[in-house]
Amino acid sequence: QVQLVQSGAEVKKPGASVKVSCKASGYTFNGYAIYWVRQAPGHRLEWMGWINGANGNTKYSESFQGRLTITRDLYAKTAYMELSALRSEDTAVYYCAKDQTYGSGNSRVVVIAHWGQGTLVSVSS
Amino acid sequence: EIVMTQSPATLSVSPGERATLSCRASQSVGSNLAWYQQKPGQAPRLLIYGASTRATGIPARFSGSGSGTEFTFTISSLQSEDFAVYFCHQYGNWPLTFGQGTKVVIK
Repeated sequence: QVQLVQSGAEVKKPGASVKVSCKASGYTFNGYAIYWVRQAPGHRLEWMGWINGANGNTKYSESFQGRLTITRDLYAKTAYMELSALRSEDTAVYYCAKDQTYGSGNSRVVVIAHWGQGTLVSVSS
Repeated sequence: EIVMTQSPATLSVSPGERATLSCRASQSVGSNLAWYQQKPGQAPRLLIYGASTRATGIPARFSGSGSGTEFTFTISSLQSEDFAVYFCHQYGNWPLTFGQGTKVVIK
């Protein structure tokens, strides 16, 4: 079955960077995109970015442009999310997720269906 | 950016009763709407995609309807394990966006 296992909690100071990993198993790693979504306390889920499984192309939310880098290691079947210039507002649980394709042709749907367990990143001086 | 607005913020329901949740999009998302369940300390779980199609293994008491900008999610007869936060998600337009969630609590 699909599993996404994320690295452990991190505590960082403002201005630092954090790199969270997401190890995938149970499916063809380069066949599906990996998404990064975060949830700050009391806030809704926020999509951060996405890496294409087939070609490694990335797409980032404008909210994180210049601070976010998503990469992957095909051999390790692991995706990474690195966020720099951290501030207190970046304190959140960070999730990686994988989409799933349902149906085909005109009725084809691609939707986030599998999630990692989440990684708490705390930013505090 | 498409803003997803859910109502109510909290829904108090007795076990066995029906729960009806709403989600409104600031512009049309067609049928590109999913519903997730999230319990404390857990990752979200996909329940519905395509506005009305249950994901694999999801019980029939969960259902969704709507298209365009107005969507409804219903739990026909609440079980104890259904008390959780539910949120909607539009995946038809970048950036992907999520509703703020509806918390279903025991009455």
